[in-house]
Amino acid sequence: DGGITQSPKYLFRKEGQNVTLSCEQNLNHDAMYWYRQDPGQGLRLIYYSQIVNDFQKGDIAEGYSVSREKKESFPLTVTSAQKNPTAFYLCASSIDGQGVSDTQYFGPGTRLTVL
Amino acid sequence: AQSVTQLDSHVSVSEGTPVLLRCNYSSSYSPSLFWYVQHPNKGLQLLLKYTSAATLVKGINGFEAEFKKSETSFHLTKPSAHMSDAAEYFCVVSDRGTYKYIFGTGTRLKVLA
Repeated sequence: DGGITQSPKYLFRKEGQNVTLSCEQNLNHDAMYWYRQDPGQGLRLIYYSQIVNDFQKGDIAEGYSVSREKKESFPLTVTSAQKNPTAFYLCASSIDGQGVSDTQYFGPGTRLTVL
Repeated sequence: AQSVTQLDSHVSVSEGTPVLLRCNYSSSYSPSLFWYVQHPNKGLQLLLKYTSAATLVKGINGFEAEFKKSETSFHLTKPSAHMSDAAEYFCVVSDRGTYKYIFGTGTRLKVLA
């Protein structure tokens, strides 16, 4: 079964802790994305990567970090510098991220709650 | 700059009646447009996409959308609502310069029995 997996589904963090959200895809897609979703808002782009070993900041990158060491993996770390990290996090991928009609496919999401 | 506006934050329909979810876009170029559906605590699922091949786009689960350049609209419709259609729907435009997605704020569809 091809697709995108995210783990864990629910994550709880104490203030001041860093946490890492996993995103894996077996679609052989070059491009991967991380979004944050808050109630009543659309999705906002945190980071994206169009190729292995390269990534760019999105619109709300402060307090987050990523790596792209393997084509199939794009983990997101929420650092203690992120002031309001409680949100639903979605990972997506697309074939190459270079085409205007390039469709993004989404994972099931991780809900992060800061206690 | 490109943008997308979903005109209704909430829509309620009775089961078996038509669904209309409205989306207007702003774009300097011929845009690529998408509709996604999100069920509670789930990821986004692609319903359909417009890429200039045809103005009437058919998607999954009986949904379709019509691209109207003169009205800068891309409204989503379905002839007969089903209880399983209750979800949040997002209209998305792909930015031609950066290829990034620009999301609308979503429309929550409620289907009444």
